[in-house]
This record gives sequence, structure tokens and C-alpha cells, in this order.
Amino acid sequence: KAGVTQTPRYLIKTRGQQVTLSCSPISGHRSVSWYQQTPGQGLQFLFEYFSETQRNKGNFPGRFSGRQFSNSRSEMNVSTLELGDSALYLCASSLVQGSTDTQYFGPGTRLTVL
Amino acid sequence: AQTVTQSQPEMSVQEAETVTLSCTYDTSESDYYLFWYKQPPSRQMILVIRQEAYKQQNATENRFSVNFQKAAKSFSLKISDSQLGDAAMYFCAYRSAASGSRLTFGEGTQLTVNP
Repeated sequence: KAGVTQTPRYLIKTRGQQVTLSCSPISGHRSVSWYQQTPGQGLQFLFEYFSETQRNKGNFPGRFSGRQFSNSRSEMNVSTLELGDSALYLCASSLVQGSTDTQYFGPGTRLTVL
Repeated sequence: AQTVTQSQPEMSVQEAETVTLSCTYDTSESDYYLFWYKQPPSRQMILVIRQEAYKQQNATENRFSVNFQKAAKSFSLKISDSQLGDAAMYFCAYRSAASGSRLTFGEGTQLTVNP
């Protein structure tokens, strides 16, 4: 079974632009979560989607948004990029939200904001 | 809010030896899950081991085992017979049974394995 895939793997943007990252979960997984990883703040939870609904949201500004499609694929969008948004963005999927299931992570998208 | 603390930013071990990574957490909940994830230089986050809080028995996965002390809110990872491939950043993570799939991570411990 294929793992979690994220596209693109690397991205360079300039301040003020917007960006969309994509995550395809493991087949059959319905929950997708997003995390931001930076050297200074570590791993921080962005949001979680289950059955096309946002179920949890971390403490990030409204510039960070996401959605989930009927096939469980998820996208996250960051508008009006700031230098501090440079990070590794990790996506994780699990079979069912809120169960004992384990989350499996994708390889991440490395976003650089210039 | 839950917090997870890893007090050892860096650890090193000789190949074939045993090393223990520490993790403490703070929560007022009784039902939760704890995890250790490994992140090698490729940055792919890999699950090492998991522990359900309601289980008294410590989890074991091959060379990896945990020492789960619920009252002390401690969750350490023991790696036996360390291998070069074990070198990575290790993250301890907490998940509440009541908050879906949201993971709260510790700061991480960078493990070096010396040949």
C-alpha cells in the first residue's frame, strides 16, 4: 500500500505570495492532519480534517487554511506569505479520526519564503 | 493544555549499546496515547512505538521498548543493541483520546550512534 504523498516536495516563494500544498493520504485513510516544523518552534499542529470537515485547529493565523476533498486528499493554503512561514510542512493520515489509530506521515513539503 | 518535554537535546551511544531517551508530559486527562517518532535526515517521520495510557504493560517493538510511568507522567524510550541506522531525531508525542488525531510533540532528542 502506498504511503502518504505530498506535493510539491520543495517550493520557493516570495513574501506576499500565496501557496497551496497537497497531501494524498494512505488509501482508505479518512483523517488528514497538517503540521508545521521549524527549528525555532518545533512541530506545531495546524489543523485536522475528517470527512471533508475541519475537526481541530491549532493556534495559527487565518492566513493558514485548508480543505479536504471527497477522496480524502487535502490541501493547505497559506496566503500573504511571510518570511516566518518558511518551514517543513508535514501531512499525516490515519484511518479514522479519534480512534486508537496511528498517524502516518508524508515526506513533507519544504517551503522557503524569500 | 498538554505539554511534552524532552530534556535531552542530544544523546550519543556506541553501536550495539543501549540508550534511553527521556520524555515527560503534563496532562489532566486520564485517557490518552503516547508515541515515539523517529525523524532521520530524510525528514520522513516514522513511528517507532506507541503506548495506550490505559495499558499498564510497557510497549515493546523489537529493539525498542518504553518505560511508561503514568503517575510520574514519564515515557522513556529504550533502544537496545543500537545500530547506525538508529541515528535520527526522536520525538515524543502525546495525543488526547478526546481531541481527535492532534499530536503534541516534544522538542526532540538528536541521537548519534558511534561505530
